[in-house]
Amino acid sequence: DSGVTQTPKHLITATGQRVTLRCSPRSGDLSVYWYQQSLDQGLQFLIQYYNGEERAKGNILERFSAQQFPDLHSELNLSSLELGDSALYFCASSDGTGDGYTFGSGTRLTVV
Amino acid sequence: EDQVTQSPEALRLQEGESSSLNCSYTVSGLRGLFWYRQDPGKGPEFLFTLYSAGEEKEKERLKATLTKKESFLHITAPKPEDSATYLCAVQGGFWGKLQFGAGTQVVVTP
Repeated sequence: DSGVTQTPKHLITATGQRVTLRCSPRSGDLSVYWYQQSLDQGLQFLIQYYNGEERAKGNILERFSAQQFPDLHSELNLSSLELGDSALYFCASSDGTGDGYTFGSGTRLTVV
Repeated sequence: EDQVTQSPEALRLQEGESSSLNCSYTVSGLRGLFWYRQDPGKGPEFLFTLYSAGEEKEKERLKATLTKKESFLHITAPKPEDSATYLCAVQGGFWGKLQFGAGTQVVVTP
């Protein structure tokens, strides 16, 4: 157990639907990062939050959004889902020192 | 933009057969270079951070080294449990984001 908790572990949904992925960071970590991993793309950075504020954005689609709440957990919202959104979505957290992240076990999203 | 290229894409080793993985990078102002191990369907597991050229770090059968343009992950006398995908990432420019390479898939056979 890495200390970073992601739910749900698996999600199957239909095209056009909306889903929410949840991440609880390691205790004491203020930064949360979201990554997408598909077979042909590797790990792609989506977005970073630090203590409730958006810090950096990667190649995140407009259909995707995220937020970090006062208790530091984060949610990634994916809407108008397409088949190509099927992937593993990882959350990672860090203590802000920049010395690497700790990843969660991921949410496997399948869009049918 | 930061770029990370890992080679080879895949590596098949006999147990005990040492080898090296390469990670070439271009980044504006390297803050750190990171190695992770990832098992199928699992999240990446942190192995090492290297901060400056000439730095080396070791953990069991793994040793990571860093130059100004590339990093190597040496696997000495590997065991089947070392089978995994090894990911390299760089952190540069602004604080926080890691740029990952595509990974090297290592299979160690008994």
